Amino acid sequence: DAGVIQSPRHEVTEMGQEVTLRCKPISGHNSLFWYRQTMMRGLELLIYFNNNVPIDDSGMPEDRFSAKMPNASFSTLKIQPSEPRDSAVYFCASSPGGRGIGYSPLHFGNGTRLTVT
Amino acid sequence: AQRVTQPEKLLSVFKGAPVELKCNYSYSGSPELFWYVQYSRQRLQLLLRHISRESIKVFTTDLNKGETSFHLKKPFAQEEDSAMYYCALSGRGSTLGRLYFGRGTQLTVWP
Repeated sequence: DAGVIQSPRHEVTEMGQEVTLRCKPISGHNSLFWYRQTMMRGLELLIYFNNNVPIDDSGMPEDRFSAKMPNASFSTLKIQPSEPRDSAVYFCASSPGGRGIGYSPLHFGNGTRLTVT
Repeated sequence: AQRVTQPEKLLSVFKGAPVELKCNYSYSGSPELFWYVQYSRQRLQLLLRHISRESIKVFTTDLNKGETSFHLKKPFAQEEDSAMYYCALSGRGSTLGRLYFGRGTQLTVWP
């Protein structure tokens, strides 16, 4: 299994531009998470899905951020318009979840390093 | 409410010295606890989970339910242990896989 796949690995864009980050979870995993990592705040949960349905988006910082999961094998995180303070590493993670599994840990992708100038 | 606190943002030790990364938690029920590690510019990966009572790379965990702490320890640090370490908590019985993370501790092991 290739694990959680994120693209692109690096993204440099100008303020005001739209940015789309992509994630392919591990096949069979029912839960998908988007995290943002910065030096100041550490690892922040932005949103997570279970069976393609958004469960909790309370971590999404502003309306400029949106996330979708159109099917079990693909999710996007979009920032429109982007701002310099959005610069961070964005991680996607998936988990098998499901009844009875309980303590399944998260499996992270390699992350997308976003720089907004 | 659930909370994971890692009081040290940065920790530096010399090679061969003991190292302890601190983690305190608060949770109304009985949580499941984890340590994740992130080596330079790599993905986060699971290091240890409390329920397994395992030792990985000579790291061990010390769960103290009375003090609600879950510290990570190693008797002799190695340079390759330099990394970011995250303590995480999951509600026991949680079926969605959601973890609550601390802010992380950056460990540097000097030669």
